[in-house]
Amino acid sequence: KAGVTQTPRYLIKTRGQQVTLSCSPISGHRSVSWYQQTPGQGLQFLFEYFSETQRNKGNFPGRFSGRQFSNSRSEMNVSTLELGDSALYLCASSTGANNEKLFFGSGTQLSVL
Amino acid sequence: DAKTTQPPSMDCAEGRAANLPCNHSTISGNEYVYWYRQIHSQGPQYIIHGLKNNETNEMASLIITEDRKSSTLILPHATLRDTAVYYCIVITTLGRLYFGRGTQLTVWP
Repeated sequence: KAGVTQTPRYLIKTRGQQVTLSCSPISGHRSVSWYQQTPGQGLQFLFEYFSETQRNKGNFPGRFSGRQFSNSRSEMNVSTLELGDSALYLCASSTGANNEKLFFGSGTQLSVL
Repeated sequence: DAKTTQPPSMDCAEGRAANLPCNHSTISGNEYVYWYRQIHSQGPQYIIHGLKNNETNEMASLIITEDRKSSTLILPHATLRDTAVYYCIVITTLGRLYFGRGTQLTVWP
């Protein structure tokens, strides 16, 4: 079974631009969650989508948004990029059942210049 | 939200047991403890999880104290490939994950 796929692997943007990251979950998984990882803050939960609906949300500004499609693929968008948005963005998929383990992708490394 | 506290770093000799502690004193009765590890530049990898009872799988053992305020991950025979950052995570009843800063485990030959 193919793992969680994130594209692109690396991305360079400038301040003020917007960016869209993509995540394809493991086949059959209906939940996709997103995380931001920085050296200063560690791994932080952004949001989770299940069956095309946002089910949980972390403490991030509205510039961070996401969506999930009917095939469970998910995209994350960051608008008006700031230098502090430079991070590794990870997505994880699961069946969506309670207390189900997560499978992570390798992440997208975003650099904002 | 329940939060976790882990030592920032630990080291262990290859072939010896690595015991990684985690405090989660605010955990609620139905919140699970999960352990993941992250090798540099990769996504976190699931290791084990538990609620009340001790658990064991092919990778590790998880010991949870009776009051559930702390747990220990045990890698019985550490290898160089076990060098990674280990995260102790509590998944809240709302489904949110709090990762904490993790423990950098270094296994030396």
